[in-house]
Amino acid sequence: NAGVMQNPRHLVRRRGQEARLRCSPMKGHSHVYWYRQLPEEGLKFMVYLQKENIIDESGMPKERFSAEFPKEGPSILRIQQVVRGDSAAYFCASSPSRNEQFFGPGTRLTVL
Amino acid sequence: GEDVEQSLFLSVREGDSSVINCTYTDSSSTYLYWYKQEPGAGLQLLTYIFSNMDMKQDQRLTVLLNKKDKHLSLRIADTQTGDSAIYFCAENPIDGGSQGNLIFGKGTKLSVKP
Repeated sequence: NAGVMQNPRHLVRRRGQEARLRCSPMKGHSHVYWYRQLPEEGLKFMVYLQKENIIDESGMPKERFSAEFPKEGPSILRIQQVVRGDSAAYFCASSPSRNEQFFGPGTRLTVL
Repeated sequence: GEDVEQSLFLSVREGDSSVINCTYTDSSSTYLYWYKQEPGAGLQLLTYIFSNMDMKQDQRLTVLLNKKDKHLSLRIADTQTGDSAIYFCAENPIDGGSQGNLIFGKGTKLSVKP
């Protein structure tokens, strides 16, 4: 059983461009969480999704950020018009329930 | 409010025991977790404890929970250089109405000297 997959592992964008981060959960996991880790910080919750539904987006910035988890395919975290402050590591976690979360390797976004 | 606090650094000698401490504030938490993060990598789930337990042991790892003081600790016996990493404490306040999103501390950087 492959672990949580994230791609790309590293992403470089210029200010104003769009960033798309992908997450494929572990087989059989229907819960997906996205977290952001700023340098020297812990992880901060962004959004929790189940298939085709956003369950909790209380940690998501109100503008420029969106997430989806379609019926088929990976979960996508989309950041429009990136700014330097968006530079961070973005982690996806999947879970078969709400009690155990398994993390992917992360996508490290650098905004120039 | 919800907050998880950890000391930032811990240095031990190879073969000694390491104890990493964590305090949390949400009394409704049902699960508490320890994750390990090596440089440039994702988070590896080490162990977790349910809030009605006082202790959990798994090979070299021992988790102690003092629910009254809201204090969680991770003890690593016979610490090895491969244990050098950042260790995150996290809580899962499901009973508080949350949907299972984890609240993390800032992490404790464990350095193991040969």
